[in-house]
Amino acid sequence: ETGVTQTPRHLVMGMTNKKSLKCEQHLGHNAMYWYKQSAKKPLELMFVYSLEERVENNSVPSRFSPECPNSSHLFLHLHTLQPEDSALYLCASSQDGARGRAFFGQGTRLTVV
Amino acid sequence: AQKITQTQPGMFVQEKEAVTLDCTYDTSDPSYGLFWYKQPSSGEMIFLIYQGSYDQQNATEGRYSLNFQKARKSANLVISASQLGDSAMYFCAMRDSNYQLIWGAGTKLIIKP
Repeated sequence: ETGVTQTPRHLVMGMTNKKSLKCEQHLGHNAMYWYKQSAKKPLELMFVYSLEERVENNSVPSRFSPECPNSSHLFLHLHTLQPEDSALYLCASSQDGARGRAFFGQGTRLTVV
Repeated sequence: AQKITQTQPGMFVQEKEAVTLDCTYDTSDPSYGLFWYKQPSSGEMIFLIYQGSYDQQNATEGRYSLNFQKARKSANLVISASQLGDSAMYFCAMRDSNYQLIWGAGTKLIIKP
């Protein structure tokens, strides 16, 4: 138990569906992150929120839409995804600062069919 | 550009032997942090050990130690007395001056009985 909870753990969706991934942390952290991990690729940082404000958006396609309503919750809204978007999506949180290690959720394994 | 390099895509080690996982980094920032994470097949990222750029001593956490050689810009992870449960992906990461994590490609470690 790392203090970061992601739901659902597994998701299968069609290309025309709309779904959302949820991440919740009760560690009092002020930064939250979405990562994508595809097979045989390094972790890709998708979005960073610091103090509920998006500070990083690494050229992620608009079919991925993040939302951070408060410092404890982070969502990733998905619509009209492609099969190549199938991956493990990891949420993390940290306290800003050089020593602030990231705590990760268990991930959502997404399959787009 | 800031970069993390893990040159060992895979490693096979006999149980109870020590293992060293390589990590080199590139940064011009004087202040940075280096992390190692373990990712078992379940997908969760588990924090193992942290080394700050100004820390005088090499970090140790139980069976994990970090061989920090600042002049060589290397931060190798050493696991003593390996166990079957150590089989996983291992990622080296660096926190830069913007407090974001830069990740290596990972090393898949397999412990043989």
